Amino acid sequence: QQQVKQSPQSLIVQKGGISIINCAYENTAFDYFPWYQQFPGKGPALLIAIRPDVSEKKEGRFTISFNKSAKQFSLHIMDSQPGDSATYFCAASKGWYDKIIFGKGTRLHILP
Amino acid sequence: NAGVTQTPKFQVLKTGQSMTLQCAQDMNHNSMYWYRQDPGMGLRLIYYSASEGTTDKGEVPNGYNVSRLNKREFSLRLESAAPSQTSVYFCASRGGTADTQYFGPGTRLTVL
Repeated sequence: QQQVKQSPQSLIVQKGGISIINCAYENTAFDYFPWYQQFPGKGPALLIAIRPDVSEKKEGRFTISFNKSAKQFSLHIMDSQPGDSATYFCAASKGWYDKIIFGKGTRLHILP
Repeated sequence: NAGVTQTPKFQVLKTGQSMTLQCAQDMNHNSMYWYRQDPGMGLRLIYYSASEGTTDKGEVPNGYNVSRLNKREFSLRLESAAPSQTSVYFCASRGGTADTQYFGPGTRLTVL
């Protein structure tokens, strides 16, 4: 059973546009929802994370929106740039220092 | 401060051979993890260690063993490699006041 479902698998966005990636989870015990960015040949790197006590978190051009009742969260990349082209993973975890479960990833390509 | 280091970076094995992937972190984190990454499958957790002296199975533990040698080091062993274990392996550690998970650069393993 896939605990974190991510969509779409791939996404193409024009430069300057908004990129939106969605994730859904089943386990209501999850209380930590990070997003990771991965460039080819590199390990994933934490981009932004949210806990369920807030509905939105913004860091620069990156925003997480969180809907606890729907058990969904999404990543919005505003003013998307070619340098944002990468694979993005959503993830979820329960409790501090517990295992982190990943979605299958979204390959994002920003057209110049 | 090197973060998370992994050795080797690349490895080719023949079916049935054994090997150990090494991982070390210098951030004084309690938790460490081993993931494998395959195309279209995202990052799947093999084993994790919430603290020194403890290890737990993840989603895909079959064919692997781990050792948490001390707080810094967490190794992954393939006793009898199979072609299905061809993958990119990532080690990660998690901790700090921001509860951030950091990944190593990965080991690219091919089993012939």
